[in-house]
Amino acid sequence: GAGVSQSPSNKVTEKGKDVELRCDPISGHTALYWYRQSLGQGLEFLIYFQGNSAPDKSGLPSDRFSAERTGGSVSTLTIQRTQQEDSAVYLCASSLTGSEVSPLHFGNGTRLTVT
Amino acid sequence: SQQGEEDPQALSIQEGENATMNCSYKTSINNLQWYRQNSGRGLVHLILIRSNKREKHSGRLRVTLDTSKKSSSLLITASRAADTASYFCATDDGQFYFGTGTSLTVIP
Repeated sequence: GAGVSQSPSNKVTEKGKDVELRCDPISGHTALYWYRQSLGQGLEFLIYFQGNSAPDKSGLPSDRFSAERTGGSVSTLTIQRTQQEDSAVYLCASSLTGSEVSPLHFGNGTRLTVT
Repeated sequence: SQQGEEDPQALSIQEGENATMNCSYKTSINNLQWYRQNSGRGLVHLILIRSNKREKHSGRLRVTLDTSKKSSSLLITASRAADTASYFCATDDGQFYFGTGTSLTVIP
């Protein structure tokens, strides 16, 4: 497809379990972002990948959160020992260059529910 | 950290009316962008205005930017029911930071 693809679209997990969320960016897009959106709230920046540079992890809320981007394409966001406050929609976005004039293209998100 | 703050948080208007949403931000920016989010979907880019511009038009959208006041407004003219969505401003200072959004409801 032509857009950003995220999987799964919905994930229900028990507190304490680990989860992996996947993002397939648009082909050729070098920049990739992860955001978290709680119900009725704005977007909270989590992590940013740009090409082969070291990722900007400044938004990760705790060391239970990690992300990687293999081969400059697909990215996986991992949440270990999930907590109920981790429940949110996790949005991935990519852009062509990460430059100031390259808008973000978003996936439809993964809705995570921690019971 | 969250840069933008949209105002109002919620707006309800009749179809055909104009909708104005405002955004304030905190630091210097390279550009400001507006995005739209339909319920249960990701965000879609609407319009970008560079920091050296004061106004930009695109179809029924008009964006203004006042860097001295660190604020921007998005005007949607002749609104339609299909414009019902949440609207977010995003500032780019090397990172993209989004506001809390304005929820717009256009009543047919």
